[in-house]
Formats: sequence, C-alpha cells, structure tokens
Amino acid sequence: GQQVMQIPQYQHVQEGEDFTTYCNSSTTLSNIQWYKQRPGGHPVFLIQLVKSGEVKKQKRLTFQFGEAKKNSSLHITATQTTDVGTYFCAGCNQGGKLIFGQGTELSVKP
Amino acid sequence: KAGVTQTPRYLIKTRGQQVTLSCSPISGHRSVSWYQQTPGQGLQFLFEYFSETQRNKGNFPGRFSGRQFSNSRSEMNVSTLELGDSALYLCASSLEPDTEAFFGQGTRLTVV
Repeated sequence: GQQVMQIPQYQHVQEGEDFTTYCNSSTTLSNIQWYKQRPGGHPVFLIQLVKSGEVKKQKRLTFQFGEAKKNSSLHITATQTTDVGTYFCAGCNQGGKLIFGQGTELSVKP
Repeated sequence: KAGVTQTPRYLIKTRGQQVTLSCSPISGHRSVSWYQQTPGQGLQFLFEYFSETQRNKGNFPGRFSGRQFSNSRSEMNVSTLELGDSALYLCASSLEPDTEAFFGQGTRLTVV
C-alpha cells in the first residue's frame, strides 16, 4: 500500500538554528498537507501544496512540493522555542486517502 | 464557530469490552476522518466518511467500525477491545474530502 516516509524522526536544535523535515511518498500525490502538533495537543493544519514544484512561505516556514509530486519539505529558518512540536506531512493519493508520515519531533534549546 | 468536538475525552475500558466514540464536526463540514495515534506508530488512518458513506478505509481489523449520520456527526466503534487498542483517537472534519482537516482534541482510550 501507499507509504509516506518522513525524516528525521527527531531533531534537536539550538534556538536560532535552521530546521528541515523531509517527506517522501511511494506514489504520486494529488496534494500534500503539513500539520503541527504541540505537546499534549492535536494536529493543526499549516498548509496544503497542490502544484508540481510549488513553494509556499509562511513567515519563517518554507514549504516545497517536488516536481514529481512524490516528495515535500518544510524548512524553518532561525528556530524559536515556540516552534517546538511534531511536524507531520500528510499525502493525499489519487483515491483521496490522506496518509500521514511518522512526524518529526522538533525540540529547541534556548 | 465551534470546532470539532469529540466525546468522551478520556475512557478506561477492560479487555473484551466494546467502546463507542463520538465526533461532531464543524458546522457545514461533510467529511469526517478518524485516526489512531500511538507513540510508536504515529497517526494511522482508520476511515473517512463523506455524506454518510464510507469513502476510504485504513488497514485495521473488522473490530473497528464507524458510521456517519445525516447531520454529519460520526461515531466509531471498537469491539472486543485489546490492550493494544490503547491510543489517542482523533477525529478530523473537512468541508469536503482532500481539503484542510480540522482535528478535535481526541479521545484517549486506555484498555486495561
């Protein structure tokens, strides 16, 4: 079945450092979504990418969707302690099923 | 606008029992999906309902079932509970399938 792999599983950074998480699908996706889950909370939608090669920015966050629509990345510039949490990608296949990656848990040391 | 409401928030059940979890989506949302979240397995897709029809199903045994009512509210049922069913069960609603999903706070189920 379709798989969505996300790496790394954990990332510890010093405040001010950059952070990137990568997402790869075994099949072509119709779109990819990114979510953030704070400790003890529930996933919160960040963004959806639909077009091949699409790049979107939200302040310090940059999201990319690969040309083949099988991979994606989230890059955070100059991390802050408020960025702490687990970041999930979720790939939507042609059948409309949303498959989540395992998530990348980000911790930021002040 | 009220968010996604899941009830109950916490539940403790004994092995072999059954449980029903409820999800009220955001008003106007017709798509409801259910996920199981555990520390080791991440977010696992259970099923998705749209307009009272099951649109997609994950790889869970038949003990896991669900349904959606005409008002878009959804329930999921787990029969013959096993210790491994202990998890956070999250419900997410969307206006339509494949669009932004809004998650509820989840129901934390503990099976003893």
